[in-house]
Amino acid sequence: KQEVTQIPAALSVPEGENLVLNCSFTDSAIYNLQWFRQDPGKGLTSLLLIQSSQREQTSGRLNASLDKSSGRSTLYIAASQPGDSATYLCAATKTSYDKVIFGPGTSLSVIP
Amino acid sequence: DAGVTQSPTHLIKTRGQQVTLRCSPKSGHDTVSWYQQALGQGPQFIFQYYEEEERQRGNFPDRFSGHQYPNYSSELNVNALLLGDSALYLCASRTLDYGYTFGSGTRLTVV
Repeated sequence: KQEVTQIPAALSVPEGENLVLNCSFTDSAIYNLQWFRQDPGKGLTSLLLIQSSQREQTSGRLNASLDKSSGRSTLYIAASQPGDSATYLCAATKTSYDKVIFGPGTSLSVIP
Repeated sequence: DAGVTQSPTHLIKTRGQQVTLRCSPKSGHDTVSWYQQALGQGPQFIFQYYEEEERQRGNFPDRFSGHQYPNYSSELNVNALLLGDSALYLCASRTLDYGYTFGSGTRLTVV
């Protein structure tokens, strides 16, 4: 049974810092891993999708890496801004048609 | 191109009542999944529909049921509502080659 965990649960940083969010999954046989952002009381916004054959994906100030052998993914946010404050969720899918298994999320607060 | 749309956005129901939530998937997406997200937790998988059939189901009681229509839109029905059913209900759609796109959710409050 796939389990996804995220560390830390909460993070508070001053504006401008580079930061790393961590995600671990127990079953390395994944189809893809996706990072989402969720603002309070809102739905999920997809940030980055990494297919199992890929090692990383980049979008603007965001970079996500995937290491299936160790069961880990990291989301790197460069030059953080107050607008980055949100909860970040990672989610793994086992097969192309399978459900998504979510981690509990990391709550990020960027202080101006 | 509209993404995943859900209705209503907010809903207040009384214990024991029944509720229906609706979802229209993103254009071109044929698979719809429903998730329940309690406050402070990650979303939990309820079930997935493909070609109008329930393909997968999470660990939710039979009070939770769904339907998918030929145009791929979907409904989530919850019977005999409990206080613990209060949550954000998220709908997600996808095609085979890409990840999931989520809607903004329906906030259900059971009083």
